[in-house]
Amino acid sequence: QITLKESGLTLVKPTQTLTLTCTFSGFSLTTNGVGVGWFRQPPGKALEWLALIYWDAETRYSPSLKSRLSITKDTSKNQVVLTMTDMDPVDTATYYCAHRGSKTVMDDWFDPWGQGTPVIVSS
Amino acid sequence: DIQMTQSPSSLSASVGDRVTITCRASQRINNYLNWYQQKAGTAPKLLIYAASSLQSGVPSRFSGSGSGTDFTLTISSLQVEDFATYYCQQSYNTLTFGGGTRVEIK
Repeated sequence: QITLKESGLTLVKPTQTLTLTCTFSGFSLTTNGVGVGWFRQPPGKALEWLALIYWDAETRYSPSLKSRLSITKDTSKNQVVLTMTDMDPVDTATYYCAHRGSKTVMDDWFDPWGQGTPVIVSS
Repeated sequence: DIQMTQSPSSLSASVGDRVTITCRASQRINNYLNWYQQKAGTAPKLLIYAASSLQSGVPSRFSGSGSGTDFTLTISSLQVEDFATYYCQQSYNTLTFGGGTRVEIK
């Protein structure tokens, strides 16, 4: 059974850096085709993709946020870490990590997802 | 970025109704289109991948179709547990989601 759980600070101040950790079980990030993605959802709004890291350490980022994001993996701890710099109140959202289910190139679908962690940006 | 437009943004339906949700891409995406269900306060759940493949464990009343730019999610007979918001997501290039379709009880 695959499970993922997000953790990190709930409240951050504007201009600070957000660090979120996704701790997973049931799969290995060294297995061919596997990946973990990060997403967010502002209150009452749609889902937005942020970043994705693959088993081979290749990374992809949302173009609009690329300059602020970094995604890394620690395969020994079964963790993926997302950092987002220069946080702003508009970054207030629930942040999710999810397992990339497909084993084929370009077929980036995600299942299952973590429960999500709320992040509030406020001074 | 490829823009994904869902319609309608919301709909009201009764148990047993056939429901169709449409997702249109701003350019061709072949069949790199996935559908998710999200209930209030919970994480999204994958329903359909690669436009028409039913994810394991998802009821067969859910189906997906389409290719190129136009895609459809159909619920053949709406059940109480299907009242939720549905999102499409493309993976042809930079991942993007549609704006969501909220399915409410009539």
